[in-house]
Amino acid sequence: DAKTTQPPSMDCAEGRAANLPCNHSTISGNEYVYWYRQIHSQGPQYIIHGLKNNETNEMASLIITEDRKSSTLILPHATLRDTAVYYCIVRSTSGTYKYIFGTGTRLKVLA
Amino acid sequence: DAGITQSPRYKITETGRQVTLMCHQTWSHSYMFWYRQDLGHGLRLIYYSAAADITDKGEVPDGYVVSRSKTENFPLTLESATRSQTSVYFCASSRQREPTNEKLFFGSGTQLSVL
Repeated sequence: DAKTTQPPSMDCAEGRAANLPCNHSTISGNEYVYWYRQIHSQGPQYIIHGLKNNETNEMASLIITEDRKSSTLILPHATLRDTAVYYCIVRSTSGTYKYIFGTGTRLKVLA
Repeated sequence: DAGITQSPRYKITETGRQVTLMCHQTWSHSYMFWYRQDLGHGLRLIYYSAAADITDKGEVPDGYVVSRSKTENFPLTLESATRSQTSVYFCASSRQREPTNEKLFFGSGTQLSVL
């Protein structure tokens, strides 16, 4: 699975869109981008995933660049409850089923 | 819908003792994982399992033992606990190896302190 790079921390004002970047410049054609988040001391929670098209669900939107070397998770109207650590993970359709998390981005939503 | 449960929620033990952390899921998910989380290290994979009787090492397996005799259970044993194993441990499960829809579901964690 390709390696990902995320900024260690970000701030966002409540009610504004939170845009969390992820770099995965070594991604290959059969690798998906997944996002999870971990609120305080809870177990991580799945948010969204995609291959090459932009994706949207009730929690967030995922924008993947055309060359697929980077992506952005968008929380359209951040609330205080979105304060969490956000993990970007790249997963292959084959090979090992190890599921490796990095250190993620700590997002703080400010009132 | 019980989902995935970990026990105990908190555990204090002494150096050198054997400790077993339990993980149980009710979904019949094939894949199960154990992670530890320490400040500054994010989540690190200890062991994982693709099915009953199939386990494999993750990033930090030393000092840990796992077994998977039944699909629903995946216990993690610290054979001789050390202070460096003080951490929060998370168990997770996934229905299948299908990256098009491969979501991990996590338990609430076990906070282990080794004195």
